[in-house]
Amino acid sequence: AQSVAQPEDQVNVAEGNPLTVKCTYSVSGNPYLFWYVQYPNRGLQFLLKYITGDNLVKGSYGFEAEFNKSQTSFHLKKPSALVSDSALYFCAVRDPLSGGSNYKLTFGKGTLLTVNP
Amino acid sequence: DSGVTQTPKHLITATGQRVTLRCSPRSGDLSVYWYQQSLDQGLQFLIQYYNGEERAKGNILERFSAQQFPDLHSELNLSSLELGDSALYFCASSTLENRDRTGELFFGEGSRLTVL
Repeated sequence: AQSVAQPEDQVNVAEGNPLTVKCTYSVSGNPYLFWYVQYPNRGLQFLLKYITGDNLVKGSYGFEAEFNKSQTSFHLKKPSALVSDSALYFCAVRDPLSGGSNYKLTFGKGTLLTVNP
Repeated sequence: DSGVTQTPKHLITATGQRVTLRCSPRSGDLSVYWYQQSLDQGLQFLIQYYNGEERAKGNILERFSAQQFPDLHSELNLSSLELGDSALYFCASSTLENRDRTGELFFGEGSRLTVL
């Protein structure tokens, strides 16, 4: 079974500082990993994904994520946080070896990022 | 705008009632997913349809059912509603084919259900 853990319910950073939102995963094979962002009263928006290749993935709004197979992690990062980055962030995983036609994404519980001015 | 449309955006109803949530996927997407988001459970996968056929089931209650129609829109039916069913229900779509599992899901804005 595939699972995702986001160990921090909340992350607070000052504007202009780097930010990291942590994610670890568990799958039986090589994972497909995703990050989504949810603004208040909105749906989830796709930020970036890792499928294969370069461990550092760049996505929307200046975000990037680093895949670390040995640590089973896929942390989301941004060099300089903006107040407008304040939102709920979800990490998700799909196990490409999962049986049948199950293409679901399994999500973590989310991390609330607050960027203080 | 993701291209996924969900109606209604808000719904208030009483315990024991039945409601239907509707989802229109992005143009060309064959797969539809339903998720439930609540404060205590997070985002829970309910069910997936692909081109009209059920493909995967998650933590969906027996009181809940869904279907995908020939025009690819989907409906989630929730019956005998309980207070605990109050949540945000999301629909997502993708163009995933049988062997391509690399694609992301595109989410609608959600339907917020309040059961009183």
